[in-house]
Amino acid sequence: GAVVSQHPSRVICKSGTSVKIECRSLDFQATTMFWYRQFPKQSLMLMATSNEGSKATYEQGVEKDKFLINHASLTLSTLTVTSAHPEDSSFYICSAPRGGGARLSTDTQYFGPGTRLTVL
Amino acid sequence: GQQVMQIPQYQHVQEGEDFTTYCNSSTTLSNIQWYKQRPGGHPVFLIQLVKSGEVKKQKRLTFQFGEAKKNSSLHITATQTTDVGTYFCAVTPTSGTYKYIFGTGTRLKVLA
Repeated sequence: GAVVSQHPSRVICKSGTSVKIECRSLDFQATTMFWYRQFPKQSLMLMATSNEGSKATYEQGVEKDKFLINHASLTLSTLTVTSAHPEDSSFYICSAPRGGGARLSTDTQYFGPGTRLTVL
Repeated sequence: GQQVMQIPQYQHVQEGEDFTTYCNSSTTLSNIQWYKQRPGGHPVFLIQLVKSGEVKKQKRLTFQFGEAKKNSSLHITATQTTDVGTYFCAVTPTSGTYKYIFGTGTRLKVLA
């Protein structure tokens, strides 16, 4: 199957600092990647859709100036949590859909292993 | 917005018992996907259903898509401890936007 990596897997930072999380598709190109947030024992909440070469699309209620997304290449998307606060502590997971390139709902999503962010 | 509810929220079963989780959408779906997330892990794709009334099987797992394409179920026969995890359904909005909305999930515990 397709492989998606995420780095770092775990990060602890002080309140007010920024944290960058990388998501890479290792064996396929992904013009679109999705960023999710998951609180303990809860479902995945879609934060934004990352589009290669254009601006990300954010879900309602997600601050785009706080969660900066850059999709600079066909295999890399980054999420930067700016001025992190304790309430931003969560599990952040990216996914890259793989299909025929037509961006269909039937594309299969391949998830990265996730990044656990703890803000002190 | 689109709502995708799963029931039950939690299920504890004895090893060998059957298990079923249901996924219900407020709107008609074009297709539905099922994922499994092990504790501490990330979601892994299990299967996709596209046709109304479709039934697919993967060993002890049986997936069904409702006739009205608004609901789906995942049934596990004779559960094993390796089935432990959270099962999510995922759908795409009927608006045609290219994104995936996850259901609330069902957490399964299997007692040996």
